[in-house]
Amino acid sequence: DAGVTQSPTHLIKTRGQQVTLRCSPKSGHDTVSWYQQALGQGPQFIFQYYEEEERQRGNFPDRFSGHQFPNYSSELNVNALLLGDSALYLCASSLPGSGERGGKQFFGPGTRLTVL
Amino acid sequence: RKEVEQDPGPFNVPEGATVAFNCTYSNSASQSFFWYRQDCRKEPKLLMSVYSSGNEDGRFTAQLNRASQYISLLIRDSKLSDSATYLCVVKTGGTSYGKLTFGQGTILTVHP
Repeated sequence: DAGVTQSPTHLIKTRGQQVTLRCSPKSGHDTVSWYQQALGQGPQFIFQYYEEEERQRGNFPDRFSGHQFPNYSSELNVNALLLGDSALYLCASSLPGSGERGGKQFFGPGTRLTVL
Repeated sequence: RKEVEQDPGPFNVPEGATVAFNCTYSNSASQSFFWYRQDCRKEPKLLMSVYSSGNEDGRFTAQLNRASQYISLLIRDSKLSDSATYLCVVKTGGTSYGKLTFGQGTILTVHP
């Protein structure tokens, strides 16, 4: 049973460039969330996709956009890269779930993005 | 005020010690609560969910007090392999989807 996979593992870009990160969810999961983790901080929620639509969004500018495909895989796109975008980008997959016992999210290994 | 606040740590304890982490959250509409563990330069991994009734998994005990908006994690008989960053996590959002809000994490080092 494959877990969440992400590609690439590492990426180096320069300011102003654009980047696309990819995520395949855990088998059987249909919801994908993206997080940004800066060094020494907890992950910050970027957005969540379900049924190919963005369902929730965190406090990130429009430079951050995404997509979900019919097979539930997802992409995160970041335009006009800034030095401050350097971080670990994590993808998490889950099944819909409500209440106290719902909504566990499982993370992929992340993509480490460095912007020079 | 941060949505999820944790003890800043770091905690340095000997093997066999008992250590407790505390966490508070600000959104009273939060639905689910978790502790994740994150090793250096790795992804967060779900350690355990936290239920209002309290729950235990081996050496780990988690408790939730909704009235005080307080979450705790107790680790008994610490092992060297418990060394990691522990993240307090709260889920908010709709019934079908929801975002996770993380605390900044508490670093635990267990030494021989």
